[in-house]
Amino acid sequence: AQSVAQPEDQVNVAEGNPLTVKCTYSVSGNPYLFWYVQYPNRGLQFLLKYITGDNLVKGSYGFEAEFNKSQTSFHLKKPSALVSDSALYFCAVRPLGGGGGYNKLIFGAGTRLAVHP
Amino acid sequence: EAGVAQSPRYKIIEKRQSVAFWCNPISGHATLYWYQQILGQGPKLLIQFQNNGVVDDSQLPKDRFSAERLKGVDSTLKIQPAKLEDSAVYLCASSFRGGSYNEQFFGPGTRLTVL
Repeated sequence: AQSVAQPEDQVNVAEGNPLTVKCTYSVSGNPYLFWYVQYPNRGLQFLLKYITGDNLVKGSYGFEAEFNKSQTSFHLKKPSALVSDSALYFCAVRPLGGGGGYNKLIFGAGTRLAVHP
Repeated sequence: EAGVAQSPRYKIIEKRQSVAFWCNPISGHATLYWYQQILGQGPKLLIQFQNNGVVDDSQLPKDRFSAERLKGVDSTLKIQPAKLEDSAVYLCASSFRGGSYNEQFFGPGTRLTVL
């Protein structure tokens, strides 16, 4: 079965320190990979995506993600965390070649990031 | 640019009652999605429209859920009758096209509580 795992329910980090939010996936083929962020009482906002090419992808608000095909991972990173980065982060994959809809996304359960002053 | 609009933002009903949610996508976006997000889980796609046609409804519980997008613009998702396990946030999203790499833009969601 196709799935996305975010092994940490919550990540705590001090402001100014680097952060990593982990994501691994299990899908056939080479999927497209996405990160979304959800602030309280707001919809999901797109952060970045990996389609092909360079394994390090840069996105909004200083975030980046590293695609590792051998480890089937797509970890979200930021060199220096801000208190305002505190939110719920979702990893998503778009399997290629079937599994239903066109542009169908499979989401992980989410990781809550808490950045402390 | 106006974002994806959803209403109502909150709804509380009793089990076996009916409820409807409305979504207006970003202007010009051909593809519209409805997701169900249960507390503690990621969003799960319920149905996807391309213009006014259904592309994927494989995870829609069709015995109680229905959705339509009659003129290819706004959409309505209905639950009839509701069950306790339908308590969730219902998210609407849209994208310019249905292509795999196209970013999906999400609305604020409707939080449904079934008592």
